[in-house]
Amino acid sequence: GENVEQHPSTLSVQEGDSAVIKCTYSDSASNYFPWYKQELGKGPQLIIDIRSNVGEKKDQRIAVTLNKTAKHFSLHITETQPEDSAVYFCAASMENQGGKLIFGQGTELSVKP
Amino acid sequence: DADVTQTPRNRITKTGKRIMLECSQTKGHDRMYWYRQDPGLGLRLIYYSFDVKDINKGEISDGYSVSRQAQAKFSLSLESAIPNQTALYFCATSDPPGGGAYTDTQYFGPGTRLTVL
Repeated sequence: GENVEQHPSTLSVQEGDSAVIKCTYSDSASNYFPWYKQELGKGPQLIIDIRSNVGEKKDQRIAVTLNKTAKHFSLHITETQPEDSAVYFCAASMENQGGKLIFGQGTELSVKP
Repeated sequence: DADVTQTPRNRITKTGKRIMLECSQTKGHDRMYWYRQDPGLGLRLIYYSFDVKDINKGEISDGYSVSRQAQAKFSLSLESAIPNQTALYFCATSDPPGGGAYTDTQYFGPGTRLTVL
């Protein structure tokens, strides 16, 4: 089955710096890659996603890139702010698996003022 | 997301006890999921249901059972709780995609923190 590896497990940056979180997946049939943000005491919330027919997607300060050949995708956060501090999860899904998501292990991002 | 509620929010129980975690949603979604979250392991799928009559095992279903009482309600039971079931449990919902899309956004509840002593 699909396996998703996420790195780093913790990341600390200064406010205003950029943060990058990387994920690799094992099954080339995966074709949907969402990113979820989990704030303390809350459930994960979708922040951005990308499908396999697209190489990059941006939404204000966040962007996701996908390299299908290498089977990896990354989350980029620019101009980080303290409210970006949270745990971030990547995930992968296949069309023939319906809505089933396989999650990475999570990255705890800390943005220091 | 207030549209997905979980009860209880915290629960402490003893080894061998049967417990039930409940999930309700007002989003009108057909699909519902149960995950557990453990430090360093991310979220792992326990069970999922695409409608009231369709229930499927996920990655880690052993020791768990579920009941889909209605479109809006999906309960997770631990028949005989053990300490390694101590974790944060999340319910999620989604709607089948339309318009040619092939997957769907999942909306998570606030979680239930379960401790088994």
